[in-house]
Amino acid sequence: AQSVTQPDIHITVSEGASLELRCNYSYGATPYLFWYVQSPGQGLQLLLKYFSGDTLVQGIKGFEAEFKRSQSSFNLRKPSVHWSDAAEYFCAVGARVGGTSYGKLTFGQGTILTVHP
Amino acid sequence: DGGITQSPKYLFRKEGQNVTLSCEQNLNHDAMYWYRQDPGQGLRLIYYSQIVNDFQKGDIAEGYSVSREKKESFPLTVTSAQKNPTAFYLCASSMRTSGREEQYFGPGTRLTVT
Repeated sequence: AQSVTQPDIHITVSEGASLELRCNYSYGATPYLFWYVQSPGQGLQLLLKYFSGDTLVQGIKGFEAEFKRSQSSFNLRKPSVHWSDAAEYFCAVGARVGGTSYGKLTFGQGTILTVHP
Repeated sequence: DGGITQSPKYLFRKEGQNVTLSCEQNLNHDAMYWYRQDPGQGLRLIYYSQIVNDFQKGDIAEGYSVSREKKESFPLTVTSAQKNPTAFYLCASSMRTSGREEQYFGPGTRLTVT
């Protein structure tokens, strides 16, 4: 079964600083990988996704992520953080369930980002 | 404007009562999902449905039930058998369920049971 680990529960950065959120996954085949963002009390919004091809993926709001198969990682980065980026970020891996035709997303536990002015 | 609607945003119930959470989508998506979110635990899948009149249990289905009588609607009932029902519930939908598709999320319903 697939799994996702986000090692950092809470990260604090200053506005304008660079950001990297870590995500490690476990899955036997090539995974489908996603990063979502959630503002307090709201639903989730997709930032970016990786299926195949170029391992550096560009997303919305200036975010990017790099797929590294050798490290089973899909870390999210942003060169300069804005106060409005404060939120909770979730990494997810998509895969088929056993031998069925159904697939599902498995989410990490989330990383809360605090931005200091 | 296409999207997913969940109502109500806040719901309060007494212990021992069943409660139904609404989820409606107008994205013409085939697949719909229910997740439960607790602090520090990420999202856990309760039930999902690939097509009308068909649904499968997720990782934490005990104490919950669903129906999928219409493509647009996927209501979740939290029964009195659910031992710890207080949580934030999120509904999502996607075109299909191969695991490759992006899921679109509703705004969530916060359920408090006392």
